[in-house]
Amino acid sequence: DGGITQSPKYLFRKEGQNVTLSCEQNLNHDAMYWYRQDPGQGLRLIYYSQIVNDFQKGDIAEGYSVSREKKESFPLTVTSAQKNPTAFYLCASRLAPRPAGLKNPNTGELFFGEGSRLTVL
Amino acid sequence: QKEVEQNSGPLSVPEGAIASLNCTYSDRGSQSFFWYRQYSGKSPELIMSIYSNGDKEDGRFTAQLNKASQYVSLLIRDSQPSDSATYLCAADNYGQNFVFGPGTRLSVLP
Repeated sequence: DGGITQSPKYLFRKEGQNVTLSCEQNLNHDAMYWYRQDPGQGLRLIYYSQIVNDFQKGDIAEGYSVSREKKESFPLTVTSAQKNPTAFYLCASRLAPRPAGLKNPNTGELFFGEGSRLTVL
Repeated sequence: QKEVEQNSGPLSVPEGAIASLNCTYSDRGSQSFFWYRQYSGKSPELIMSIYSNGDKEDGRFTAQLNKASQYVSLLIRDSQPSDSATYLCAADNYGQNFVFGPGTRLSVLP
């Protein structure tokens, strides 16, 4: 089945440890994203990548790092520099939007994985 | 800073009524808008997208866009208790990424 797979679903980490969250998609999507969600809050963009070997910082990139070595994979590392890492982390992907009138138009909807919940003890 | 704003709610409606969810956005250049539903503890799922001024209907859902007023809305007809969730409005930021609102919590009362 096509989709976005995040692992692990739940993760506990001690303070001072780095942790890497996995995100894999088999939808052949061009762009991939990491969002953070705190309880009762909206989604905040951490990093995104629109092409292999390239990525951009989002609004809250400090304390996080990413890589995009393959189109299908966009892992997120939460480093010890992230002061308050306990949160729900969401990976998402999309095709690049292509306007109507071009070959294979698409509207570029964003699709999400099931999320990873990180708790720092 | 591009912003998408929504009333946080909770918005409570009786079962069978119409729920109206509203969203405004700050960047007049935004072209595409999306509504997501998020159940507690789950990831967001796409309900509808809209790009042109006017209404777009899909089953019990109608999205409305008014670019002059920078306003997007989502109507849910014949609301069901299973519609109780947080609804997120998002604007496409020039094809680069999405800007999300904080979400409106909807409660449909049996």
